[in-house]
Amino acid sequence: KQEVTQIPAALSVPEGENLVLNCSFTDSAIYNLQWFRQDPGKGLTSLLLIQSSQREQTSGRLNASLDKSSGRSTLYIAASQPGDSATYLCAVRFLKNTGTASKLTFGTGTRLQVTL
Amino acid sequence: EAGVTQSPTHLIKTRGQQATLRCSPISGHTSVYWYQQALGLGLQFLLWYDEGEERNRGNFPPRFSGRQFPNYSSELNVNALELEDSALYLCASSLEFWGPTGELFFGEGSRLTVL
Repeated sequence: KQEVTQIPAALSVPEGENLVLNCSFTDSAIYNLQWFRQDPGKGLTSLLLIQSSQREQTSGRLNASLDKSSGRSTLYIAASQPGDSATYLCAVRFLKNTGTASKLTFGTGTRLQVTL
Repeated sequence: EAGVTQSPTHLIKTRGQQATLRCSPISGHTSVYWYQQALGLGLQFLLWYDEGEERNRGNFPPRFSGRQFPNYSSELNVNALELEDSALYLCASSLEFWGPTGELFFGEGSRLTVL
């Protein structure tokens, strides 16, 4: 079964700290991987998209890496700010046997709190 | 450019009633996805439409149904509502079913409360 796992479930860090969020997936045959941010009661905001052929993507203070062989992705947040407090979700689009892409499968998320 | 829009923002129904949720994708996007996010639970995949066709369906009972219109907007219908259907229903769109990016963009969701 194709699954996505995120550890830790919750994380609290002081402002200014660099941090890493982890995402693991059970099947290395993926089409792409996407990181999202969700504020309480709100929709999802796309942060970074990594294609299967890529190793990493960067946007501002965010950097996401992809290691298909080990089934892992990390989201690195530099110089964290209180405004970064949110739930971060990792989602994987696996490849089906037919070679086409499956639906997006989500991890359960990491709830991040950045304190002053 | 407008993002994915969903309506209504909030909907309150009683058990046994029907609910209809609507989604308008980003202009030019042909694929629409529906996800359910119940309180304290992760996102559960409901339905995926592309070019008017249902491409995939999650593990939900048949009382969850939907359709995609010729203008690519979509509707999710939930019949015979149960208390556990209370959740945030999220719609997403992507540029194409199978293409160079496949990036999904989400709306703000419709919160359904079943009393």
